[in-house]
Amino acid sequence: DAEITQSPRHKITETGRQVTLACHQTWNHNNMFWYRQDLGHGLRLIHYSYGVQDTNKGEVSDGYSVSRSNTEDLPLTLESAASSQTSVYFCASSESSSNTEAFFGQGTRLTVV
Amino acid sequence: AQKITQTQPGMFVQEKEAVTLDCTYDTSDPSYGLFWYKQPSSGEMIFLIYQGSYDQQNATEGRYSLNFQKARKSANLVISASQLGDSAMYFCAMRELPYSGAGSYQLTFGKGTKLSVIP
Repeated sequence: DAEITQSPRHKITETGRQVTLACHQTWNHNNMFWYRQDLGHGLRLIHYSYGVQDTNKGEVSDGYSVSRSNTEDLPLTLESAASSQTSVYFCASSESSSNTEAFFGQGTRLTVV
Repeated sequence: AQKITQTQPGMFVQEKEAVTLDCTYDTSDPSYGLFWYKQPSSGEMIFLIYQGSYDQQNATEGRYSLNFQKARKSANLVISASQLGDSAMYFCAMRELPYSGAGSYQLTFGKGTKLSVIP
């Protein structure tokens, strides 16, 4: 079965360190997204990609970067982790169709100390 | 202005009763889609139901139905015959499709409603 997986599921890191969260999907979807979930804010879009070599900034992109070198993967990098980036991060993918849902990974809980 | 507004941070419903979760949206695009997701305490995001802006009938999926009132820009989720397993966070989301036709596939989410089902 096709799926979308995130790793690690939990991570604790120190302020100032670079951190990369992995996202891998086997749906063969062109579209991939990174969201962060914080209490009282719902899910907010960080970055998204509509295909290989395509990346775009979302609503809360400061301090984050992504790269898309193949269809399956969209790693999210925190250049210099800050306590404000403590959050639950979700990766998602979807077809290029208006009426199909996005499929989500299990989430990564990141704590910056 | 928020694009998706969910005005109920938390709600309680008696088991076997129906419950309506409110969602209003704001867009000037002629074409858009509305989605509802469920997030149980385990954390995964589960797709429930979809409504397109041009759909004439309200969407239904089992015990879930979407009360779509386009003129009022509302897309309320109705859960019939609530079960204990329905206790979760529920998120309304929108995908806008600009008139220009340029692809725009990201979802914008509301802040969610926490539903608690009481036995």
